[in-house]
Amino acid sequence: AQSVTQLDSQVPVFEEAPVELRCNYSSSVSVYLFWYVQYPNQGLQLLLKYLSGSTLVKGINGFEAEFNKSQTSFHLRKPSVHISDTAEYFCASNSGGSNYKLTFGKGTLLTVNP
Amino acid sequence: SQTIHQWPATLVQPVGSPLSLECTVEGTSNPNLYWYRQAAGRGLQLLFYSVGIGQISSEVPQNLSASRPQDRQFILSSKKLLLSDSGFYLCAWSGYATGGPFEQFFGPGTRLTVL
Repeated sequence: AQSVTQLDSQVPVFEEAPVELRCNYSSSVSVYLFWYVQYPNQGLQLLLKYLSGSTLVKGINGFEAEFNKSQTSFHLRKPSVHISDTAEYFCASNSGGSNYKLTFGKGTLLTVNP
Repeated sequence: SQTIHQWPATLVQPVGSPLSLECTVEGTSNPNLYWYRQAAGRGLQLLFYSVGIGQISSEVPQNLSASRPQDRQFILSSKKLLLSDSGFYLCAWSGYATGGPFEQFFGPGTRLTVL
């Protein structure tokens, strides 16, 4: 069975600082990777996705992630965070199949302080 | 474009009462549909998924059930709620409408409190 590990449950940073949220996945023949963001009391919003092609993926709100097959990682980065980036971030993977279930990590709470 | 609706947005129910949460998707056909639950301070737990009308797969045995009476309608039910059913319930869909079936798109959620 697939697994996704988010190494940090909480990441506090100051405004305008860079941030990296770490995600590792279990190896599979093919894997599709996603980052979602969840603001309080809202549903999940897709930030970015890796399906194939370039290993550097750019998403919304200035976020990007790099797919690293040898390290089975898909870390999320932003060079300068804002207060409004405070939210829970989820990494997820999908290995295909007819039901297309996603395997989610447990989430990382990013708190941006002034 | 596709949209997904959930209602109600919030719900407070006594223990032992029935439950019905509804999810509908617009702008696509034959989507895969999913119900998730988030307990306080915890991650996402997949409860049910459906690949077509009347086709329901259960991930976690419990006192909840799901039904898909129409192509774009997904209902989560319970005959008797438990305190442990409290949480944030999210509906999601995936499909080929957006160029691939892999990513899921989430609704706004229903906050359920069982007292």
